[in-house]
Amino acid sequence: DGGITQSPKYLFRKEGQNVTLSCEQNLNHDAMYWYRQDPGQGLRLIYYSQIVNDFQKGDIAEGYSVSREKKESFPLTVTSAQKNPTAFYLCASRSAGSPNTGELFFGEGSRLTVL
Amino acid sequence: AQKITQTQPGMFVQEKEAVTLDCTYDTSDPSYGLFWYKQPSSGEMIFLIYQGSYDQQNATEGRYSLNFQKARKSANLVISASQLGDSAMYFCAMSLLLPSGTYKYIFGTGTRLKVLA
Repeated sequence: DGGITQSPKYLFRKEGQNVTLSCEQNLNHDAMYWYRQDPGQGLRLIYYSQIVNDFQKGDIAEGYSVSREKKESFPLTVTSAQKNPTAFYLCASRSAGSPNTGELFFGEGSRLTVL
Repeated sequence: AQKITQTQPGMFVQEKEAVTLDCTYDTSDPSYGLFWYKQPSSGEMIFLIYQGSYDQQNATEGRYSLNFQKARKSANLVISASQLGDSAMYFCAMSLLLPSGTYKYIFGTGTRLKVLA
């Protein structure tokens, strides 16, 4: 089945540790996105990538890093510089189709808790 | 500023009745897309319905319809004949084309809907 796979689903981290969240898609989508979700704040854009080896900062990129070495993969690293990393992280990709008709397809999310 | 506003943090509706979830948007771009997503407690985001800024007709998908009022910059979601399974968080979102050629998606803060038996 085509889709987006995020792993791990749950992750616990000690303060000061970096952690990497995996996002893999087999939908052949070009664009991929990372969002952070906090209660009462909706989804906020961390990073996005339109093509391999290219990515841009979103609205809350500080303390995060990404790479896009393959079309299918867009891992997110939460670094120790991120002051409040406990959150639900969602990866998404954009379907092809006419401009602006492409909805985002989402993974099931990764819940990160910093102890 | 480009923004999506959902003013209802929570809503209740009786089973089998209709409910309207409010969404207003702000953009000066003439071309944009409007989306609604459902997020059950499991966390997955489920696409419900889409409306393009140039679409003349309101979008409908089964029990979902989008009440698009361009002059008021509103894109309310109407769910008819509510079911217990409709209980979830609902997000309104807007897509915009950036100068780089990438699409950016902006989300509202969501409305939590509870359907009562």
